[in-house]
Amino acid sequence: VQLVESGGGLVKPGGSLRLSCTASGFTFSNYNMNWVRQAPGKGLEWVSSISGGSSYIKYADSVKGRFTISRDNAKNSLHLQMNSLRVEDTAVYYCAKDLYFGAQYYFDYWGQGTLITVSS
Amino acid sequence: SSELTQDPAVSVALGQTVRITCQGDSLRNYYASWFQQRPGQAPLLVIYGKNNRPSGIPDRFSASSSGNTASLTITGAQAEDEANFYCNSRDSSGNRVFGGGTKVTVL
Repeated sequence: VQLVESGGGLVKPGGSLRLSCTASGFTFSNYNMNWVRQAPGKGLEWVSSISGGSSYIKYADSVKGRFTISRDNAKNSLHLQMNSLRVEDTAVYYCAKDLYFGAQYYFDYWGQGTLITVSS
Repeated sequence: SSELTQDPAVSVALGQTVRITCQGDSLRNYYASWFQQRPGQAPLLVIYGKNNRPSGIPDRFSASSSGNTASLTITGAQAEDEANFYCNSRDSSGNRVFGGGTKVTVL
């Protein structure tokens, strides 16, 4: 399993950015996928989840209405469209695959992350 | 409440045992999973479910749960276990929740 994030960089407050995660080593369409972020020196924060067929989508309250998760199963890719970015969105953004076990989901594989810096 | 609470830091002597705890109401209904994160690295799943280790995770890592508290135990801590450890679960709304993390120092 390999997950590779891209699209990070420096953006001004109020700006937009689109992150991508390219997956390999597993049947991408069969698994829920997620974005998790980590502000510099801080802990982990779940951002969003999407089911294999995109029928189930969920967001943390901190990003609801500003971020949009999507996926392209034909291209084995996961995306996060981030609009109206705030300074507090500055973080490393990780793509994480879900494992479904015992009626519960767990983040079993993670990418190396991509850094988003929101600053004027 | 959907919060998970962890002690900020613990220390353990090399070869000894340390327990890291995670408290939250959601843990009465859902299992916690545990992640190890070394500086500059992505989180690594070490425990999921009742007490399951992914392939490649040493058996010195184990988990238990009682009431609203989940625990991760490292039996015979090694120098390479020095890291931040995070618990994770879900709340009743399906949101995924992380604890604030525990920094483990191996002396």
